[in-house]
Amino acid sequence: TQLLEQSPQFLSIQEGENLTVYCNSSSVFSSLQWYRQEPGEGPVLLVTVVTGGEVKKLKRLTFQFGDARKDSSLHITAAQPGDTGLYLCAGALETSGSRLTFGEGTQLTVNP
Amino acid sequence: KAGVTQTPRYLIKTRGQQVTLSCSPISGHRSVSWYQQTPGQGLQFLFEYFSETQRNKGNFPGRFSGRQFSNSRSEMNVSTLELGDSALYLCASSWYRGFEAFFGQGTRLTVV
Repeated sequence: TQLLEQSPQFLSIQEGENLTVYCNSSSVFSSLQWYRQEPGEGPVLLVTVVTGGEVKKLKRLTFQFGDARKDSSLHITAAQPGDTGLYLCAGALETSGSRLTFGEGTQLTVNP
Repeated sequence: KAGVTQTPRYLIKTRGQQVTLSCSPISGHRSVSWYQQTPGQGLQFLFEYFSETQRNKGNFPGRFSGRQFSNSRSEMNVSTLELGDSALYLCASSWYRGFEAFFGQGTRLTVV
């Protein structure tokens, strides 16, 4: 059973469209991190959220942590071809130290 | 500040052989974690090291082992390689246990 359910798994949109990726769990996380990964490379950290209800913005990307710290979302406004990549959410449980539990990932393709 | 460095980037081994992968964390980071990434299973946690001690271990057979040195550099070893061990092996470093993790570029291991 996947601890972190990430959806959708695949997303293909046109340049300029908006999109939202969801990450849900029945577990409470002490923090949740979002990464973006290119083929053959390691994940690159985009943001870390730690407080329930927290909203962070990174240019056209908006990240939200649920009030109960069980879910998170990533919203991209006016997507561009450069946003294409694999987006991963990863949660850290209170007692897990540095161990992260990853969602399955969302493969985003933005067509020009 | 240099990022997480993993060596080698690519490796081809034969079934039954063993392999050692290396990870140098970001300077000042003391926690190192290892993950295996495959298309079917996504990112799976292998183990976490902090202060030269294994603090956490994922659900992998005993053929997978690791260690951490006094300078926080870490190595992982896989013995008696199997075809299913072909994967991207990722190392992540954190300043302290439970803090946000930064990944290296990974080592692509192919077992033939």
